[in-house]
Amino acid sequence: DAKTTQPPSMDCAEGRAANLPCNHSTISGNEYVYWYRQIHSQGPQYIIHGLKNNETNEMASLIITEDRKSSTLILPHATLRDTAVYYCIVRVAWQAGTALIFGKGTTLSVSS
Amino acid sequence: KAGVTQTPRYLIKTRGQQVTLSCSPISGHRSVSWYQQTPGQGLQFLFEYFSETQRNKGNFPGRFSGRQFSNSRSEMNVSTLELGDSALYLCASSLSPGFEQYFGPGTRLTVT
Repeated sequence: DAKTTQPPSMDCAEGRAANLPCNHSTISGNEYVYWYRQIHSQGPQYIIHGLKNNETNEMASLIITEDRKSSTLILPHATLRDTAVYYCIVRVAWQAGTALIFGKGTTLSVSS
Repeated sequence: KAGVTQTPRYLIKTRGQQVTLSCSPISGHRSVSWYQQTPGQGLQFLFEYFSETQRNKGNFPGRFSGRQFSNSRSEMNVSTLELGDSALYLCASSLSPGFEQYFGPGTRLTVT
């Protein structure tokens, strides 16, 4: 699986958009970009994933650059409950034997 | 739909003992993966089960083992516990291997 690079920490004001970047310059053509988050002492929560097109769901939007070497997770209106560690992971989807490899992630702190 | 459930939620064991942790996946999910989370090593993949067969294994000693039952429920066992096995053990389920994984709340194991 490709290695990802994320900033260790970011701050965001409540109500503003939180834009979390991720670099994955060695991503392969069949690897997807996944985002998970982990609120303190809870299990990680799946947020969104995508291959090359931008994706949006009720939680967030995922913007993947055209060359697929980087992506941005957007939380449109951050709340205090979005304070968590956010993990960007790349892996081949729909294939057995491909575990989620977690890095250190980005600690997002949302303040009022 | 009920989420992933793990039992017990908290456990205290003594060095040298063995422990069994249980995971019930989301209804309809047939793949179960296990992860260990420690402050020093972060989230690390242990193993993945699908159709009662281990499909993938992380870099852990043989003291760590698991199994999956015909109803997709899974158990993991750690024998001859060491202090370093103190961790949060997380179970994740997915429809099938390679699909997005949904995590349970974890079992907090303390070895004294």
